[in-house]
Amino acid sequence: DTAVSQTPKYLVTQMGNDKSIKCEQNLGHDTMYWYKQDSKKFLKIMFSYNNKELIINETVPNRFSPKSPDKAHLNLHINSLELGDSAVYFCASSRTLLDRFQQYFGPGTRLTVT
Amino acid sequence: AQSVAQPEDQVNVAEGNPLTVKCTYSVSGNPYLFWYVQYPNRGLQFLLKYITGDNLVKGSYGFEAEFNKSQTSFHLKKPSALVSDSALYFCAVRDEGGTASKLTFGTGTRLQVTL
Repeated sequence: DTAVSQTPKYLVTQMGNDKSIKCEQNLGHDTMYWYKQDSKKFLKIMFSYNNKELIINETVPNRFSPKSPDKAHLNLHINSLELGDSAVYFCASSRTLLDRFQQYFGPGTRLTVT
Repeated sequence: AQSVAQPEDQVNVAEGNPLTVKCTYSVSGNPYLFWYVQYPNRGLQFLLKYITGDNLVKGSYGFEAEFNKSQTSFHLKKPSALVSDSALYFCAVRDEGGTASKLTFGTGTRLQVTL
């Protein structure tokens, strides 16, 4: 059973398109996250949601819009894709927002913008 | 602001030898420290964490880490490396800052274990 799943695994699209990445966790966790990992493997948080409420919104262009229909899902919609958006996007979850709980990561979605 | 430094891009070690992957941190309050591992084309997997208590923390796959407050370090160790340990290792820190604190990752260290 996959704890944190993401779809699609690979996404190739052209500049200017709009795309979505879906994330689901079956761990019963309250908190979910989106991270971006660039080509140098640097990992940076983008968003955090707790019980469907936005908690952390790093300096991410407003072309990126997360949506949490329920606490088990956190989707990422990206408008007007740019070349610089090419990266691997990881979804993660943790039991609660509290600092001491580790995060569980999905397998990642490799986005390539051409 | 909190930060984590992993000074080595890559660590090479022969199978059977001990390994150390270095990490130093900077936070304003008490740190919560984590190690994650990323195998090729996979998501990050949790290895171990330090929250409080004993400075030597044991984790998955025989890994352990030593918290050293005076040196602000949290080095990852394993007594005997395996080829299957070859992966990308990330240190991460979270400030004891309440409910909205975020996890900050280091730049990662690639561990290469050879026969």
